[in-house]
Amino acid sequence: QSVLTQPPSLSGAPGQRVTISCTGSTSNFGADFDVHWYQHLPGTAPKLLIYGNSNRPSGVPDRFSGSKSGTSASLAITGLQAEDEADYYCQSYDSRLSGYVFGTGTKVSVL
Amino acid sequence: EVQLLESGGGLVQPGGSLRLSCAASGFTFSSYAMSWVRQAPGKGLEWVSGISGSGGRTYYADSVKGRLTISRDNSKSTLYLQINTLRAEDTALYYCAKGYDVLTHFDFWGQGTLVTVSS
Repeated sequence: QSVLTQPPSLSGAPGQRVTISCTGSTSNFGADFDVHWYQHLPGTAPKLLIYGNSNRPSGVPDRFSGSKSGTSASLAITGLQAEDEADYYCQSYDSRLSGYVFGTGTKVSVL
Repeated sequence: EVQLLESGGGLVQPGGSLRLSCAASGFTFSSYAMSWVRQAPGKGLEWVSGISGSGGRTYYADSVKGRLTISRDNSKSTLYLQINTLRAEDTALYYCAKGYDVLTHFDFWGQGTLVTVSS
């Protein structure tokens, strides 16, 4: 049972903006642990998309942006493209569990 | 180029054991913490275990404590996961992941190795 909650699915037309929320608690985001985001096609290696709340690794398009405030975080995808169709997971560290935690995952579909 | 290649998965009967391996290359293996993350069929990602760069500290999710043992051989740049008393709920794709720093994110992942527990 994940301690980070995401919407199960979202969809948008090409070119639109979608925002994925990730709700945590006082033992992870509220304890000042950062949020990180991954893009995942099942059966393949997950790809780091955003780290340290809002930083993009080299090679990740600036269409992807992240933010964190209090016990919540979000990932925005602007100018949605067909290749963005994937599962997205937030991740952090939880001091109560003394371990890393992932969000429940959000499947993004491009209409 | 960082590469992580998992192996050792397969079909195992309930109660059996398995040792997974992850061969790493393209970075100074001993300088980085490593973790195992699994994904059960139709489910999300679940962190199960981590180990410090030296191997001196190990960490486990509560759901697997007592049955899993993580280890590493820095001379071989290889990470291991020993899974004992396998249960049906251990059926999953197991990924090894490189930690960027302590308590942060995973910057590189392998393709995964599939463990199926069934009689």
